[in-house]
Amino acid sequence: VQLLESGGGLVQPGGSLRLSCVASQFNVYAMAWVRQAPGKGLEWVAGVSGSGSTTYYADSVEGRFTISTDKLNNTVSLQMDSLRAEDTAIYYCAKYVVLILAKLYYFDLWGRGTLVTVSS
Amino acid sequence: DFQMTQSPSFVSASIGDTVTITCRARQDISKSLAWYQQKPGKAPKLLIYAATNLQGGVSSRFSGSGSGTHFSLTIRSLQPEDFATYYCQQAYSFPSTFGQGTKVEIK
Repeated sequence: VQLLESGGGLVQPGGSLRLSCVASQFNVYAMAWVRQAPGKGLEWVAGVSGSGSTTYYADSVEGRFTISTDKLNNTVSLQMDSLRAEDTAIYYCAKYVVLILAKLYYFDLWGRGTLVTVSS
Repeated sequence: DFQMTQSPSFVSASIGDTVTITCRARQDISKSLAWYQQKPGKAPKLLIYAATNLQGGVSSRFSGSGSGTHFSLTIRSLQPEDFATYYCQQAYSFPSTFGQGTKVEIK
């Protein structure tokens, strides 16, 4: 059971990048992207519901990033547009455990991460 | 959103010590809190969920307590592999939010 991210790299400010995360040995359900800037803590970026119909975003990326799931290919993606220097970070894909009645939403599986560098 | 305040930011401890890290939520989150361990260059790893439940495979030296707005993670008998950074996460609603992290270093 694992998550494997891809798509990171060097991009100029204002540019776009699409990250992908493929899940193996389980079906993607509720998922999220969490990032970590160099030497900093964890920052939740975006999340998607189990059905894929509801998405959530941090204020810092609202309107610029789009999260989506592809159940056919068992992947979750993060389309990142209008990138800024402050978006430079390792981006982790993470699997939610969702217990709606208990109002409990936490991450039980993380990918290894992919590095995004925004610089000219 | 549910801001999380974690303290201390840094702890220096010796092998065999007991360390306690605290996390405070701005609003009542019942027992919807998780704790993660992160080692340098690695992804975070789930330790505790629902404030007190130990994730499978995690050492019983780790324990969590609290509810409402005050939570703590206790590591007993510190081992070399426990030196890492620890994060709390409010698991009550979206957006998910993390504490600032606590780095546990060897004294």
